[in-house]
Amino acid sequence: DARVTQTPRHKVTEMGQEVTMRCQPILGHNTVFWYRQTMMQGLELLAYFRNRAPLDDSGMPKDRFSAEMPDATLATLKIQPSEPRDSAVYFCASGLSRGREQYFGPGTRLTVT
Amino acid sequence: AQSVTQLGSHVSVSEGALVLLRCNYSSSVPPYLFWYVQYPNQGLQLLLKYTTGATLVKGINGFEAEFKKSETSFHLTKPSAHMSDAAEYFCAVYNYGQNFVFGPGTRLSVLP
Repeated sequence: DARVTQTPRHKVTEMGQEVTMRCQPILGHNTVFWYRQTMMQGLELLAYFRNRAPLDDSGMPKDRFSAEMPDATLATLKIQPSEPRDSAVYFCASGLSRGREQYFGPGTRLTVT
Repeated sequence: AQSVTQLGSHVSVSEGALVLLRCNYSSSVPPYLFWYVQYPNQGLQLLLKYTTGATLVKGINGFEAEFKKSETSFHLTKPSAHMSDAAEYFCAVYNYGQNFVFGPGTRLSVLP
């Protein structure tokens, strides 16, 4: 049963620290998305990759966030330095193309104190 | 720009009653439409989707949705609610060349 995996599932850190979240997309999927979910803003698209190339990261605060795909089996989202307002659940999703259904991972719940 | 509205941030139904969750979209052309469900502490899971063809779409867990172009709607229904249906439901729209847009979600409570 193919699934998107994310690590860590939970992360508590202090303001100013670097946070790295990892995602393993479903094998064969060439499209990867990073989302952030909060009560106030709902589900927001942060970045979108196709064939490991970043095609849209307009939803991401550029000064502190960065997203990469070092290879087809790993996507990373990094926050440096982290701030309390970054506290949220971060989801990775993968799919066969931007317009096809997306398969979500279980999320990383980030708390920045 | 496309957008999605979901009427009612919280809907309560009794077990066995009809479930109706509303979704309306704004788009210049008929989009692809999706419903996702999110259980507590989990990621979103696809319930059903409409791309082309038959406007009544059946999904998992007994849910179905009907695409009505004239009403720009894609409401989700289930004839008889079960306790296990309690979750958050998201409608999403996709147009070619643009990103997915998710609605704000509707939390469904099922009362015994």
